Amino acid sequence: GENVEQHPSTLSVQEGDSAVIKCTYSDSASNYFPWYKQELGKGPQLIIDIRSNVGEKKDQRIAVTLNKTAKHFSLHITETQPEDSAVYFCAASIGNDMRFGAGTRLTVKP
Amino acid sequence: GAVVSQHPSWVICKSGTSVKIECRSLDFQATTMFWYRQFPKQSLMLMATSNEGSKATYEQGVEKDKFLINHASLTLSTLTVTSAHPEDSSFYICSASLGGGYGYTFGSGTRLTVV
Repeated sequence: GENVEQHPSTLSVQEGDSAVIKCTYSDSASNYFPWYKQELGKGPQLIIDIRSNVGEKKDQRIAVTLNKTAKHFSLHITETQPEDSAVYFCAASIGNDMRFGAGTRLTVKP
Repeated sequence: GAVVSQHPSWVICKSGTSVKIECRSLDFQATTMFWYRQFPKQSLMLMATSNEGSKATYEQGVEKDKFLINHASLTLSTLTVTSAHPEDSSFYICSASLGGGYGYTFGSGTRLTVV
């Protein structure tokens, strides 16, 4: 089955700096790659996603890149703000079969 | 947008009792819903896939007789933790498939504490 690895497990940046989180997946058939943000005590919220026929997608300060050949995808957050502090999960899916990375705890220091 | 409502948000129960958690899709029909368990500072662990009108599919190692799942309608799935024990204390999260490869929407989670 699909295996998703996510790095780093923790990331601390200064406010205004950029943050990058990377994930790799094992099943080349995966075709949908969402990123979720989870705040303490809450359920994950979708922040951005990308499909296998697209190499990059951007939404304001958030961007995701996908390299199908290498089977890795990354989340980029620019101009980080303290409210970006949360746990971020990547995922890879084929149809309804979605597997999650272990998560990255991002801390943005003011 | 697609909203999934999960209730209760937290519950405390005594050992040996059962607890039911509800997951509702508010503005869309979800033929497939998912139940996850999350331990502190860990990722989401898929427990089971709930399909409307049929039996749930459980992941390896998840006791189906302990975690009863019912998906009786296109907008409601329930997870019942039977004969709860302190080790069942955890954060339980549901999600619903939007279908057509549009991913999942998650509920807000339920914090279960068994005393």
